[in-house]
Amino acid sequence: DAKTTQPNSMESNEEEPVHLPCNHSTISGTDYIHWYRQLPSQGPEYVIHGLTSNVNNRMASLAIAEDRKSSTLILHRATLRDAAVYYCILRRWDMRFGAGTRLTVKP
Amino acid sequence: NAGVTQTPKFQVLKTGQSMTLQCAQDMNHEYMSWYRQDPGMGLRLIHYSVGAGITDQGEVPNGYNVSRSTTEDFPLRLLSAAPSQTSVYFCASSYGSQFVSTDTQYFGPGTRLTVL
Repeated sequence: DAKTTQPNSMESNEEEPVHLPCNHSTISGTDYIHWYRQLPSQGPEYVIHGLTSNVNNRMASLAIAEDRKSSTLILHRATLRDAAVYYCILRRWDMRFGAGTRLTVKP
Repeated sequence: NAGVTQTPKFQVLKTGQSMTLQCAQDMNHEYMSWYRQDPGMGLRLIHYSVGAGITDQGEVPNGYNVSRSTTEDFPLRLLSAAPSQTSVYFCASSYGSQFVSTDTQYFGPGTRLTVL
């Protein structure tokens, strides 16, 4: 199975943009890149997904490298509520989670 | 629309006891799955189902059984609880079928299980 690599933790200041990187050098052509996040004591929740083109939704933006070997989740203005563990996942039939990146947002 | 519900929220078992974790969804989703999350780690897939009557194993299936008799329900059975099964268990569902790669998975709130 294709794997993803993310930093263990990142910090951000409130109301500043946050760029969360993910490396997936063994991605196959049919793998979709999904991002989920898990707030403290909750189940994961969907953030965004994409295949080749950059994607935007109300929560975040997803920038995908041209060779698809890396991607970046962009939170345009971090809030305290965005403090969570963010998971980058390559989706085929099932979903396999790594350890994710723990994002801390400072007021 | 309650989404994905799980019961119980908390459970303490003794080694060797058996129990069933309940999961239900009211979104008519075909795909349902069970994950466990150990402290400080990501979720690991236990079992999944692509529709009523169809189940398959994930990464860590040993010690767990599942069945899917209806679209709505996907219970997880611990046959003989062991301390290594102390974890938080999450159930998830999605539309599934041919669009599974782009599916959004909806997760329940989790069941915190302690095995003494």
